[in-house]
Amino acid sequence: SQQGEEDPQALSIQEGENATMNCSYKTSINNLQWYRQNSGRGLVHLILIRSNEREKHSGRLRVTLDTSKKSSSLLITASRAADTASYFCATVSNSGNTPLVFGKGTRLSVIA
Amino acid sequence: DVKVTQSSRYLVKRTGEKVFLECVQDMDHENMFWYRQDPGLGLRLIYFSYDVKMKEKGDIPEGYSVSREKKERFSLILESASTNQTSMYLCASSPPGLALSYEQYFGPGTRLTVT
Repeated sequence: SQQGEEDPQALSIQEGENATMNCSYKTSINNLQWYRQNSGRGLVHLILIRSNEREKHSGRLRVTLDTSKKSSSLLITASRAADTASYFCATVSNSGNTPLVFGKGTRLSVIA
Repeated sequence: DVKVTQSSRYLVKRTGEKVFLECVQDMDHENMFWYRQDPGLGLRLIYFSYDVKMKEKGDIPEGYSVSREKKERFSLILESASTNQTSMYLCASSPPGLALSYEQYFGPGTRLTVT
């Protein structure tokens, strides 16, 4: 039961540009999280935004959440080649204590 | 730092073999998870565990079982491996409490090939 859907599926940008990825989901959430996965490795948690928050920052990352549209965006500013990875959103439903549901990810390539 | 380790990075097994994938975390987390990741399908939850000897089915438990005899260790078992279980397997843990909503910490993954 995958809830989060990332858009685009793949994104290619030049180093120094900003990268924006979007996530849409279907049901009410407790929180939404973003993860990064370098090729062939495990996922790394980046940021968590709660349903009562609208925006959150962490270093070069900016996450927004619009619960009325059931969507979130992840902005990476001044991208670097090391940002090349897959990015996943994951949602936690508001109904009961249920596990994270991950989307299929956006593949970001940052070209030096 | 939280550390989640998985017993193997790469594993090749034959069809019909019994396969054990081991996961160990060192942060006293109560919640542990097993996922498989396939191209185009993202991460799918196989099983998870709230506590020792507790287990819950995820979205795709068929063909798998799990064991949690100690808090730090969560094992995934393929009773009779099949080629459609060729995949990347990821283990994760998360902090205690009403905490399925907390962030998860992932191991490096095991790439299993069943021939």
